[in-house]
Amino acid sequence: DQQVKQNSPSLSVQEGRISILNCDYTNSMFDYFLWYKKYPAEGPTFLISISSIKDKNEDGRFTVFLNKSAKHLSLHIVPSQPGDSAVYFCAARGGVMGGSQGNLIFGKGTKLSVKP
Amino acid sequence: KAGVTQTPRYLIKTRGQQVTLSCSPISGHRSVSWYQQTPGQGLQFLFEYFSETQRNKGNFPGRFSGRQFSNSRSEMNVSTLELGDSALYLCASSLALGNSPLHFGNGTRLTVT
Repeated sequence: DQQVKQNSPSLSVQEGRISILNCDYTNSMFDYFLWYKKYPAEGPTFLISISSIKDKNEDGRFTVFLNKSAKHLSLHIVPSQPGDSAVYFCAARGGVMGGSQGNLIFGKGTKLSVKP
Repeated sequence: KAGVTQTPRYLIKTRGQQVTLSCSPISGHRSVSWYQQTPGQGLQFLFEYFSETQRNKGNFPGRFSGRQFSNSRSEMNVSTLELGDSALYLCASSLALGNSPLHFGNGTRLTVT
């Protein structure tokens, strides 16, 4: 039972164009969503996050959109660069309890290739 | 500021042995979480520690255990290793204040033969 789904295993875009990575979730109790980038032989690197009380968060070339009614979020990268080529993971977290950050539920990832 | 440090980077063990992995969080981070990454299951939550107490636990057998020390450093232990325990084990730390993202180390690659 996958609570967080990234339905596209791979995505290829041209340098300078927009990359759009998608993520769907099933649990309406999730209150915090994150995107991570992962290069081979390295741990995931935090990119950007969004709280469930917002519908958009922007940080430089990265923007995350959250559609709670559709239980869908997306990551937009504009403009895409060859160095963005990596596996991107979407993650969701349930409510924070006491001092706990809860646990993150990860999607299976989307491999982004940005071609020069 | 130094990132999350995990040691060792690579480990080879045989079935039935036990193993201890170590994690030093980012300075000032009080929450440490452990994840297992495998090709089939992806990233799965093992457990989370905060102030030396286990706050949350994933769906793994009791062979997987961990602890956190007063300086926030953490260790995880896997006893009676099985072939299926071969994976990348990732440690992550966070400030544990409201919506704080997890910051991951580069992991320990465990191979069980």
